[in-house]
Amino acid sequence: GAGVSQSPSNKVTEKGKDVELRCDPISGHTALYWYRQSLGQGLEFLIYFQGNSAPDKSGLPSDRFSAERTGGSVSTLTIQRTQQEDSAVYLCASSLWAASYEQYFGPGTRLTVT
Amino acid sequence: AQKVTQAQTEISVVEKEDVTLDCVYETRDTTYYLFWYKQPPSGELVFLIRRNSFDEQNEISGRYSWNFQKSTSSFNFTITASQVVDSAVYFCALSDSNAGNMLTFGGGTRLMVKP
Repeated sequence: GAGVSQSPSNKVTEKGKDVELRCDPISGHTALYWYRQSLGQGLEFLIYFQGNSAPDKSGLPSDRFSAERTGGSVSTLTIQRTQQEDSAVYLCASSLWAASYEQYFGPGTRLTVT
Repeated sequence: AQKVTQAQTEISVVEKEDVTLDCVYETRDTTYYLFWYKQPPSGELVFLIRRNSFDEQNEISGRYSWNFQKSTSSFNFTITASQVVDSAVYFCALSDSNAGNMLTFGGGTRLMVKP
């Protein structure tokens, strides 16, 4: 079946611009996660959605970052007023339920802020 | 707070050698889950295995095996008869109820298998 898909695969933006990153989870998966992978920080959790519950935003690094999940499926991660330190690969993952189940990752979006 | 440590940042072996990747974790919870993921040069994280804290049985899947020891808080991964295609970065990860369901990853071990 189809895996987790993310778009765009690459995004180059100028400092100060807003960007939106999209994630399509595996059909039927109720949990959706965003992570960031950067050279200096490794793999970091950003935000987690589980069904219709309020998201866990504890990993978001600043209020410039936000995410939403519409209809319990597609999710969009928005970064406002991008900074150079936001350059990283943004990974989306989904799992059948909560973290007791394995998470399946998408190919990521490589964000470069110039 | 939970923490995962992969002390080996980089390992280089020659094809057909066995190699063990170490993973040590910290958590205060009694119920938790451990994972290994592979990240090949293409970049996509590939799930390899999940273990829960109540199941200490070692597991073997083909050339891969995992040794879970609660007494030493370790979850080591062994590749037998390594192949060039095993070259990748391998991540160990932990989730527990205190972590809010997200994965805490180790820093990763880059494995290079030379022909």
